[in-house]
Amino acid sequence: NAGVTQTPKFRVLKTGQSMTLLCAQDMNHEYMYWYRQDPGMGLRLIHYSVGEGTTAKGEVPDGYNVSRLKKQNFLLGLESAAPSQTSVYFCASSYGGGYEQFFGPGTRLTVL
Amino acid sequence: GQNIDQPTEMTATEGAIVQINCTYQTSGFNGLFWYQQHAGEAPTFLSYNVLDGLEEKGRFSSFLSRSKGYSYLLLKELQMKDSASYLCAPDYSGGYQKVTFGTGTKLQVIP
Repeated sequence: NAGVTQTPKFRVLKTGQSMTLLCAQDMNHEYMYWYRQDPGMGLRLIHYSVGEGTTAKGEVPDGYNVSRLKKQNFLLGLESAAPSQTSVYFCASSYGGGYEQFFGPGTRLTVL
Repeated sequence: GQNIDQPTEMTATEGAIVQINCTYQTSGFNGLFWYQQHAGEAPTFLSYNVLDGLEEKGRFSSFLSRSKGYSYLLLKELQMKDSASYLCAPDYSGGYQKVTFGTGTKLQVIP
């Protein structure tokens, strides 16, 4: 089992460009999450999903969109990247509420 | 956030015992996770406490006091590989798992 995988691992964008980060899990988990991690800020929840076809806003959703068309995949989109979105992005999944989250290896995004 | 308070940094000696404290808001609280995160890597699960008391798992133990809004992670027989950040993450889930992560405690283990 691969667990949680993220694509790409690194990316450099120019301001205004768009991109999609892909997260995939093979554990049949219902819940999936997107976080960003910045120095001194800890992990902050961007969006999450409690099942296929559902999404919801987290703590810092502005500037991001998500989709969960298939249970195993959770996509994070940046429509018009800004330097403030320079961060490390982690995807995670869990069986449900109150269960441990399994994290992907992260995507290091730099917006110039 | 949920006013999660944990020390920013700690230093301890190899072979020693270290306790990392965490305080959090108690309103809507369900349980508390601890995660370990090595530099440049993803967080990994250590423990989840729901009931008051101490739960031991090998060299690592986690304690919870629900009424006091307090938890600690106890690391025994410290090894160099324990140098990492330790994230306190209270679970405030209602209809979903709303876990809020603290900024973490960076632990440095020295010889």
